[in-house]
Amino acid sequence: AQSVTQPDIHITVSEGASLELRCNYSYGATPYLFWYVQSPGQGLQLLLKYFSGDTLVQGIKGFEAEFKRSQSSFNLRKPSVHWSDAAEYFCAVDLVFGKGTRLSVIA
Amino acid sequence: DTGVSQNPRHKITKRGQNVTFRCDPISEHNRLYWYRQTLGQGPEFLTYFQNEAQLEKSRLLSDRFSAERPKGSFSTLEIQRTEQGDSAMYLCASSRVGGPGKTQYFGPGTRLLVL
Repeated sequence: AQSVTQPDIHITVSEGASLELRCNYSYGATPYLFWYVQSPGQGLQLLLKYFSGDTLVQGIKGFEAEFKRSQSSFNLRKPSVHWSDAAEYFCAVDLVFGKGTRLSVIA
Repeated sequence: DTGVSQNPRHKITKRGQNVTFRCDPISEHNRLYWYRQTLGQGPEFLTYFQNEAQLEKSRLLSDRFSAERPKGSFSTLEIQRTEQGDSAMYLCASSRVGGPGKTQYFGPGTRLLVL
């Protein structure tokens, strides 16, 4: 069965610092991988997705993610975090979502 | 493209009552999905439709839950004899079959509180 693990429940970073959110998955075939962001009171917004091809994918709002098949990982990165990035981030494989990582940004 | 809409946005009901939620997908999207999200958790898949056909149902979808998409456009999710454990955000999403992978576009959700 598919599963998605986001090991970090809550991460706090300083504004301007780099960010990496971890995501590990279990899936038998080549997965469809997604990262979504959810701000309070807002719907889920797709940041980026991976299906095939280049393992480094670029998304909206300056985010990128790298698919590493050998590590079954799809970590989300951003070189410089803005206060407006504070939100809940979800990794998903097909229809299975992780439990999310809450990002707090401090000045 | 007006996005996925869901109504109502909030619903408070008493235990034992029936509730029905509506989802209007993006026009021309063939697939429609329902998820449930509880506090501090990610969305949990409930069911999805391709046009009118309900193709997959999660074990989470007890017999008190029923979903329909009669004309392949909007969908309804009904919960009968609600329980306090049904309190959650119910999310709807839609996608195009044959579009870029299975990219889903989510609605704002319906928040249900069962007293």
